[in-house]
Amino acid sequence: AIQLTQSPSSLSASVGDRVTITCRASQGISRALAWYQHRPGKVPNLLIYDASSLDSGVPSRFSGSGSGTEFTLTISSLQPEDFATYYCQLINIYPLTFGQGTRLEIK
Amino acid sequence: EVELVESGGAVVQPGGSLRLSCAASGFAFDDYTMHWVRQPPGKGLEWVSLITWDGDGIHYEDSVEGRFTISRDNSKNSLYLQMNSLRTEDSALYYCVREGIRDALDVWGQGTMVTVSS
Repeated sequence: AIQLTQSPSSLSASVGDRVTITCRASQGISRALAWYQHRPGKVPNLLIYDASSLDSGVPSRFSGSGSGTEFTLTISSLQPEDFATYYCQLINIYPLTFGQGTRLEIK
Repeated sequence: EVELVESGGAVVQPGGSLRLSCAASGFAFDDYTMHWVRQPPGKGLEWVSLITWDGDGIHYEDSVEGRFTISRDNSKNSLYLQMNSLRTEDSALYYCVREGIRDALDVWGQGTMVTVSS
């Protein structure tokens, strides 16, 4: 099974900062990757599909890039509501898998 | 409004069984592949299983293969997960999830809690 490894596991940042989260696949997956945001007490929310396509209604400060084995999620200017846990997820390659998550905390 | 509502979570002993249900509304349920995803307490998201719109395509995560069975009833707009031989490590919040655009998971229910404990 393909493994997804996120880095860092946790991150402290301030409102207005630019942050980048990395997801590495154990083998090439083309662009078969999605990113989700999970706030405490809420359900996960789809941000990015196909590695770089922004889902409807997601603010443009979120962006995704990468292909093959290395992918990134970037938040250009952190807002208070962005402090959450972020997950990458393998799409359409079975068994599906999630990365272990990156917890983004307020500095 | 697009909505998924899970039910059936409970406290069960190791080795026991449980059936989760998910009621879908606000969209054409029989057009969509559906998933179960779980989150153990204090841990990350884990994909569990999926079933295609017609029920012909089914996949499971390795640790639940042979113990869990996913099914659907399109006439009732409902998704199910039959869980047998439950283990303590199956304890989690179980989400019913719709697969939407480009196979990403775009609609999530609120989840139902399963606790496996003696």
